Amino acid sequence: KAGVTQTPRYLIKTRGQQVTLSCSPISGHRSVSWYQQTPGQGLQFLFEYFSETQRNKGNFPGRFSGRQFSNSRSEMNVSTLELGDSALYLCASSSPAQETQYFGPGTRLLVL
Amino acid sequence: QKEVEQNSGPLSVPEGAIASLNCTYSDRGSQSFFWYRQYSGKSPELIMSIYSNGDKEDGRFTAQLNKASQYVSLLIRDSQPSDSATYLCAVKRGNTPLVFGKGTRLSVIA
Repeated sequence: KAGVTQTPRYLIKTRGQQVTLSCSPISGHRSVSWYQQTPGQGLQFLFEYFSETQRNKGNFPGRFSGRQFSNSRSEMNVSTLELGDSALYLCASSSPAQETQYFGPGTRLLVL
Repeated sequence: QKEVEQNSGPLSVPEGAIASLNCTYSDRGSQSFFWYRQYSGKSPELIMSIYSNGDKEDGRFTAQLNKASQYVSLLIRDSQPSDSATYLCAVKRGNTPLVFGKGTRLSVIA
């Protein structure tokens, strides 16, 4: 089975711009979770989607949003980028029968 | 606020020794426990999951869970330089999000 894929792998943006990141889960997985990872804060939960519905949401401002499509692919969007948004953004998928999350390679975002 | 605590390290062990990584969690209702390994610049990869009290072994890795003490550990036997990475403990209850510790950096010295 193919693993979780994320695109793009690297991004450079400037403050004030917006960005959209994409995640394709493992085939058959309906849950997709997004995380932000920075050296100081570790892995922080952004949100989780299950069957096109947001099931959980972390403590991030409204500039961070996401959605999930009928094929379980997910996108997250960050509007009005700030320098502090520079991070590794990870998505993870899991199947309904399992709680184990499998991570994609991540998108490294640099905001200048 | 659900918390997962890990010693940040670095934990240095000689090649061939046993590395012991520890994790405590605050949510007594936690049901599922995971260890992930993350190499520098890479994404986390699952090593083991454990759901009930006791030990679970997989090759050189043994996960230990003690729900009464809210404690989970990972033992790595015959440590190799390739085991040098950050080890993340993660805890889950039901359909709530996975909560991660900040990780312990392990360095295996050849």
